[in-house]
Amino acid sequence: AQTVTQSQPEMSVQEAETVTLSCTYDTSESNYYLFWYKQPPSRQMILVIRQEAYKQQNATENRFSVNFQKAAKSFSLKISDSQLGDTAMYFCAFMKRDSNYQLIWGAGTKLIIKP
Amino acid sequence: AAGVIQSPRHLIKEKRETATLKCYPIPRHDTVYWYQQGPGQDPQFLISFYEKMQSDKGSIPDRFSAQQFSDYHSELNMSSLELGDSALYFCASSSELQGTHEQYFGPGTRLTVT
Repeated sequence: AQTVTQSQPEMSVQEAETVTLSCTYDTSESNYYLFWYKQPPSRQMILVIRQEAYKQQNATENRFSVNFQKAAKSFSLKISDSQLGDTAMYFCAFMKRDSNYQLIWGAGTKLIIKP
Repeated sequence: AAGVIQSPRHLIKEKRETATLKCYPIPRHDTVYWYQQGPGQDPQFLISFYEKMQSDKGSIPDRFSAQQFSDYHSELNMSSLELGDSALYFCASSSELQGTHEQYFGPGTRLTVT
């Protein structure tokens, strides 16, 4: 069975700083996807970024980038030039490929951006 | 761009009543997922449908049932409601045909059981 661990329950940084959220996962699969989702106070679940396990290149979406270390089973999210609107819960999620595509979630990290 | 639509957004029911939640996926998405998220928790997968057939089942109570209709919308039916069913219920959709498997979430239905 797959598990996803987010070891930081809460983090806070000043606006414009860079912050890195950590995520590790455990799986015996070789083909899978990893995702970061953001859940602001409105509780809307928003897809931030996606990484395919077979791709060595780290995914990037504007100020959001990941550091994907497949051998270490690590998938951290870096937010550059953080903004007040980045305040949210961030969930790391794993999806096994070529199967039922169910998302396996981490417990989440609450990120607070301070003005 | 069109997003996933869920209705109602808020629902208050009493114990032992029945509730029906509706989900309208993004156009041309063929797969629907239902998740339950309790306060301060991560989402828990309930059930999914691909092309109107159940594709996977998670921690869905026997009191709950769901289906996907010919227009791809889905309904989650919840009977004999219990206080512990109070949660945010998300529907997400994806396109298996496109092969990206990215799940896009609706705004959720907040169910309160009193």
